Order: sequence, then structure tokens, then C-alpha cells
Amino acid sequence: GAGVSQTPSNKVTEKGKYVELRCDPISGHTALYWYRQSLGQGPEFLIYFQGTGAADDSGLPNDRFFAVRPEGSVSTLKIQRTERGDSAVYLCASSLFKGNTGELFFGEGSRLTVL
Amino acid sequence: SQQGEEDPQALSIQEGENATMNCSYKTSINNLQWYRQNSGRGLVHLILIRSNEREKHSGRLRVTLDTSKKSSSLLITASRAADTASYFCARTTSGTYKYIFGTGTRLKVLA
Repeated sequence: GAGVSQTPSNKVTEKGKYVELRCDPISGHTALYWYRQSLGQGPEFLIYFQGTGAADDSGLPNDRFFAVRPEGSVSTLKIQRTERGDSAVYLCASSLFKGNTGELFFGEGSRLTVL
Repeated sequence: SQQGEEDPQALSIQEGENATMNCSYKTSINNLQWYRQNSGRGLVHLILIRSNEREKHSGRLRVTLDTSKKSSSLLITASRAADTASYFCARTTSGTYKYIFGTGTRLKVLA
């Protein structure tokens, strides 16, 4: 596909469980972002990658959250010991940087519900 | 909070009217972008304005940037019912590619 793909689109889990959310960016895009969006709020920055490395992970709320991008393409956001407060839509975006003018291309998001 | 402020939080207008929404921020920026989000969907890029630019146009969209006031505005002219969505500004600061989004303006255009 031509766009950013996120799976699953919906995930319901129980408190304390482990969750993985996957993002498949646009082919050739070097930068990949993860955001979290709660109802009625703007996207909250979590982490971004340049290639395989996390260039800025300052938005990860605590050590239960971790993200990887081992081959510089697909990324996985991992959440351990989920809590009800983790419920949100997790958005992934990719960008082809030219200087600092990269337009972000977003996926449709993964809606996480922690019961 | 890392988010900037946008106002109004919500805006309801009649089709054909113009819609103006504003974005304010606290630190110096590299560039500022505007995005649109339809309910339950991903965000779509609308327009980018660099810190050394004051105004840009794209179709019915007009964006202004006032770095002295640390604010930007998005004007949608001759609005249509299909413009109903949430609109967000996003900015980067010098030396980083980290985009910080505002709280958004929810626009409703009545047919």
C-alpha cells in the first residue's frame, strides 16, 4: 500500500497484560514517529526514529513503554503491564526528511482499550 | 504539558462563511504546520510555514505566522460542510525534528 499502515486497528486488553502495536511506514521514509491521542486532545509525542535509532524518546511516559525499529522500516511500540490510563489511540507517522521541513504522513491509528 | 494552545477550542459556522483558528506557542520555532483530522481518522497535512515566512496560501487556506507574538492563524475561506473536522498546529524547534501538536480546534460547518 502507499500509505502508513498500523495494526491492529483496535486492541482490547486486560490490565497488566503486554501489548504490541505495529507500524509499517511509507517505503523509503527515514523518519518514523509515535504519538498518543486521548479523546478531545491533540497528539502527544512519544518517540521518533531516524533510521534504526531512536533520535528522541523523551515523550515515553515511563519504562513500561518501549519502541523498536530494527531494520529502519517497520516499528513496534511495546507496552508492558498495561494500565487503564494507557487507553488511547496510538498514532504512527512517517516522513521523508529534507532539512527540517518534513511533512508527516499519519496512519489511521491503533485504538487501545485497557479494561 | 508539551502542547501549545489553540483557540477557539470549538467553532461552529454556516457554510460559505470564513473560519479562523489560532495557535500560540512559547518557544522559538523552526517551522509550523497545520493538520486536519476527521473524526476517528488519522491526521492529514494541510500546509507548512517556515519561521522566516509571514504568510502562505493553498487553495482556500491562508496561514499567517507572527514570530514576535509566537502565534499562527489558519483561515479557511468559503467553508463547506466537508471542512468539518479538527484542526491542529504542529511545530518544531531549532535542532530537532520533534513535532509538538496543539490542543486543536473542532470546526463544525453547518449546511
